[in-house]
Formats: sequence, C-alpha cells, structure tokens
Amino acid sequence: RKEVEQDPGPFNVPEGATVAFNCTYSNSASQSFFWYRQDCRKEPKLLMSVYSSGNEDGRFTAQLNRASQYISLLIRDSKLSDSATYLCVVNGLTGGGNKLTFGTGTQLKVEL
Amino acid sequence: DAGVTQSPTHLIKTRGQHVTLRCSPISGHKSVSWYQQVLGQGPQFIFQYYEKEERGRGNFPDRFSARQFPNYSSELNVNALLLGDSALYLCASSFTRVVETQYFGPGTRLLVL
Repeated sequence: RKEVEQDPGPFNVPEGATVAFNCTYSNSASQSFFWYRQDCRKEPKLLMSVYSSGNEDGRFTAQLNRASQYISLLIRDSKLSDSATYLCVVNGLTGGGNKLTFGTGTQLKVEL
Repeated sequence: DAGVTQSPTHLIKTRGQHVTLRCSPISGHKSVSWYQQVLGQGPQFIFQYYEKEERGRGNFPDRFSARQFPNYSSELNVNALLLGDSALYLCASSFTRVVETQYFGPGTRLLVL
C-alpha cells in the first residue's frame, strides 16, 4: 500500500464548477498535512496546510480526518488558472528530522 | 527575499557518468531536503540535511550522496548514472529540521542518455 494515495484524475470541469479531491495516508503517526500545487514542469508550491478543524482560504477549503486518515481539498467556483496538479502531502518524522511524503498528484483541467 | 535556488536548471549526461547538483536555501533556513520527481509521480524523498549532518535518508541506493556546507547550501551527487535517474531533482528548505513547511526551488531537470 502506498503511503499517500490519490486519484490521479484527470478531473475535467467547466469554469465555475466545484471540485473535490480526496487523499488517504497510511502512517497514523504523521505529524502535519498539506496540499501543494504543481504547474506543468514547475516546482511544487504550498497551497495550504490542513488541520482537523478545517481551514479555508478564499475558494479553497481543506479538511483532515485523523481517525479515517483522510484529507480533502474543495475548490469552489473553479477558474481556468486553477488548472494544475494538486499534490497531497504528509509530513512525518524520520528519527533525526522530517520528510514530506507526496501522493502521485491529481490533475485538474478547468475548461471554458 | 530570494527563494530557494538550484543549479544547473537542465543537465544532460550519459549512463555511467557522475553528476553534482547544487542548492542554496532561503536566507536563514538551516535545513535542506532533496527530492526526486520522475514523470507522472509525486516527489520522492532522498535526503535531509541540517547543520551539516544527514538527518534522514529515503530509499535510494548508495550511488546517491549529499552534503551541506557551513553556509547551509547543499550538493547532491549521483554516481554511475542510470537511465532511470532521469528526473526533476528538487531541493527544499526549511528553518529547522522538525515538522514544518518546506519551500521548493525550481529544480534541476536531469536527462540521462
């Protein structure tokens, strides 16, 4: 079983649609959780952190369910500029430090 | 403020050769991590260095090595290159070695022929 699992997509949605991405992780000792966005041939960039209480940043809402080891990202009113790959990321301890474990990413294409 | 910088941006090597990739972290950041991203996959953790010491190692062969310098910059070395080493190599920096947000550089795109 992969440490972090995501549906690779692609999700093709019309502009203005609401789209949800889900992710599961296997290590119950994981410390913190993030969604990163990666544009084609670019580096990943932090989109938002994910908390059990849920957090919202404009059109984006992220949620963590520790009991189910499940992370979600909701994008409302999709824009063409939201087209990218969304990476679910889990941060855990290595013994001497920490490492990020990435899912394979979910590709989103927002169309006119 | 400058972000994480990496050099070179692109590199072409042949099988069996050696490569050195370089990374400068965000000013004030003391931890550097290296990741490999092959096409269609998420980045995979290779190493973390903090205060010039290795703090974590991913599931990569001994052909991969790294070091961190007193100014917190870092080098990733790969010996005896294989075709499968073709990937985007990403460097990420953070202030400390503990669990927190990491910021990525633009990466070095390595092609092994």
